[in-house]
Amino acid sequence: DVKVTQSSRYLVKRTGEKVFLECVQDMDHENMFWYRQDPGLGLRLIYFSYDVKMKEKGDIPEGYSVSREKKERFSLILESASTNQTSMYLCASSLGGADGANVLTFGAGSRLTVL
Amino acid sequence: AQSVAQPEDQVNVAEGNPLTVKCTYSVSGNPYLFWYVQYPNRGLQFLLKYITGDNLVKGSYGFEAEFNKSQTSFHLKKPSALVSDSALYFCAVRPGHSGNTGKLIFGQGTTLQVKP
Repeated sequence: DVKVTQSSRYLVKRTGEKVFLECVQDMDHENMFWYRQDPGLGLRLIYFSYDVKMKEKGDIPEGYSVSREKKERFSLILESASTNQTSMYLCASSLGGADGANVLTFGAGSRLTVL
Repeated sequence: AQSVAQPEDQVNVAEGNPLTVKCTYSVSGNPYLFWYVQYPNRGLQFLLKYITGDNLVKGSYGFEAEFNKSQTSFHLKKPSALVSDSALYFCAVRPGHSGNTGKLIFGQGTTLQVKP
């Protein structure tokens, strides 16, 4: 069964801490995404990557950075966590090509609380 | 701006009754449209998509959706709701000119509550 695995389901961090959220997919997908899910706001794209070492900003990149050193792994980094970054973070991946018609496969999510 | 709207925060239906979850979109070019479902404490799962062709598309778990270009809508439907359909539903659209990246814009989500 294909999978997107997010390393941490629940995290509690303090303001100012550096936070790493890790995501690994085993489907050899080219595209990987980080979304943030907040009630009433749906999913908002933070960053995405369409190839190793390639990244593009999504709609809300401020306060975040990403790293993709290997095809299967896409990391989200909060350099200095703030309380307004308390949220559910969802990683997803998809095949490239097909003019963007390929389906996204999501991980189970990482719920981050910043105190 | 390209966007997706789900006008209802919550939809309540009785088990066995038909259900509709509404979605409208605003996007340049020909839209690719998707529905995803999120069960409690689970990640999002793909339900169905419209790329081209027949306006009525069928997906998982008996769900279907109708693409209406003139009304820029892509409403999700099911003829007979089950209690197990209770979940959070997201409509999504591929923005125009996004190439092969698969980047999607999501609506705010609609909670479906099916009562026995």
